[in-house]
Amino acid sequence: GAVVSQHPSWVICKSGTSVKIECRSLDFQATTMFWYRQFPKQSLMLMATSNEGSKATYEQGVEKDKFLINHASLTLSTLTVTSAHPEDSSFYICSADPEGKLFFGSGTQLSVL
Amino acid sequence: GNSVTQMEGPVTLSEEAFLTINCTYTATGYPSLFWYVQYPGEGLQLLLKATKADDKGSNKGFEATYRKETTSFHLEKGSVQVSDSAVYFCALGHLGYSPTGNQFYFGTGTSLTVIP
Repeated sequence: GAVVSQHPSWVICKSGTSVKIECRSLDFQATTMFWYRQFPKQSLMLMATSNEGSKATYEQGVEKDKFLINHASLTLSTLTVTSAHPEDSSFYICSADPEGKLFFGSGTQLSVL
Repeated sequence: GNSVTQMEGPVTLSEEAFLTINCTYTATGYPSLFWYVQYPGEGLQLLLKATKADDKGSNKGFEATYRKETTSFHLEKGSVQVSDSAVYFCALGHLGYSPTGNQFYFGTGTSLTVIP
């Protein structure tokens, strides 16, 4: 199956700093990638849809300036959490859907101190 | 609108017990239905899917049938193993209908623990 690589798997940062999470499609090209956030004991919540070469589409309630998404190539999408605060601590997961099947990265656990 | 309702967990079963995890949905149009599994420390994996009414998805002994009349997609397995311990997510997907391609909606997940 398709492989989606996400990096880093975990990151700890100080409040006020920015953190970049990378999501790569290793064996296919992805014009669209999805970014999810998972709160403990809750479902994945779609944050935004990343579109190669154009602006991302954000879900209602997601701050565009807080969660910057860049999809500069067909194999790489990045999510930058800007000026992170403790409430941004969460599990972030990216995915792509070649051929209508959803494949996920392994996720990034972000802890903001 | 689109939504997925999944039975609350956690679920604890003895090895070789029968498993059912209920999933119902509301949807516009004609979605595909999926079950995903998340093993400890790993990302989500596709377990099985069904793309139209009355289709049965199956994999690794798990089965689910797309029931349009009851808007359900319950996950079943006849005899669970300790290695099946994981979190299971039911999902609804509109493939290719949204402006950005595909769109998925997930249930809250059901944690399953199988004890020897």
